[in-house]
Amino acid sequence: EVVMTQSPLSLPVTLGQPASISCRSSRSLVHSDTNIYLSWFHQRPGQSPRRLLFRVSRRDSGVPDRFSGSGSGTDFTLHISRVETEDVGTYYCMQGTHWPPTFGQGTKVEIK
Amino acid sequence: QVQLVQSGAEVKRPGASVKVSCKASGYTFSHFGISWVRQVPGQGLERMGWISVYNGNTDYAQKMQGRVTLTTDTSTSTAYMELRSLRSDDTAVYYCVRDVVGAGAAVFDFWGQGTLVTVSS
Repeated sequence: EVVMTQSPLSLPVTLGQPASISCRSSRSLVHSDTNIYLSWFHQRPGQSPRRLLFRVSRRDSGVPDRFSGSGSGTDFTLHISRVETEDVGTYYCMQGTHWPPTFGQGTKVEIK
Repeated sequence: QVQLVQSGAEVKRPGASVKVSCKASGYTFSHFGISWVRQVPGQGLERMGWISVYNGNTDYAQKMQGRVTLTTDTSTSTAYMELRSLRSDDTAVYYCVRDVVGAGAAVFDFWGQGTLVTVSS
């Protein structure tokens, strides 16, 4: 299985400031179809995870444009341009390129 | 709009079985698969397995092999997850997730609301 490693695991942030989370995979996530199937999910306390980004940088419907994704190969980053109160919770990366899909450990974001 | 609505919370004794349902709406059920993911309280996401609604093909996480069975009922657009020989460490929230229908990259684009299964004597 592909191992996904996130850092940091805990991220205190200041409202209105940028934040970023790193996700590294144990092997390249470039699929045979040349796409990269790396997704990011956000889970608020007591709620289901919600997909924010897919294929590294494509935002799901309704996701604010302050969320963006970047990366290639084995290194990926989720960026939040200006953190808002509703952004607290845990963020997970997930690779779907290699079967079975695997998740990172999660990064807990809280307001300082 | 796509919705996955799961059955309610369950409390089970060790050794018992549980069957969680997941009713889909807002899309053509047979055009996708369903994955199941669980989350022990306070911990991360753990994939349990996947079923293709189109042809019933399944794939189970090695850790769950032999204890979990995934099925679907296309007449009611409902997916089911049955977990047997329950242990205390199976206490978790179980999620159904819309996924790829066959060979291809995982999707995980829509999630159910989750079902808490508590295993306690």
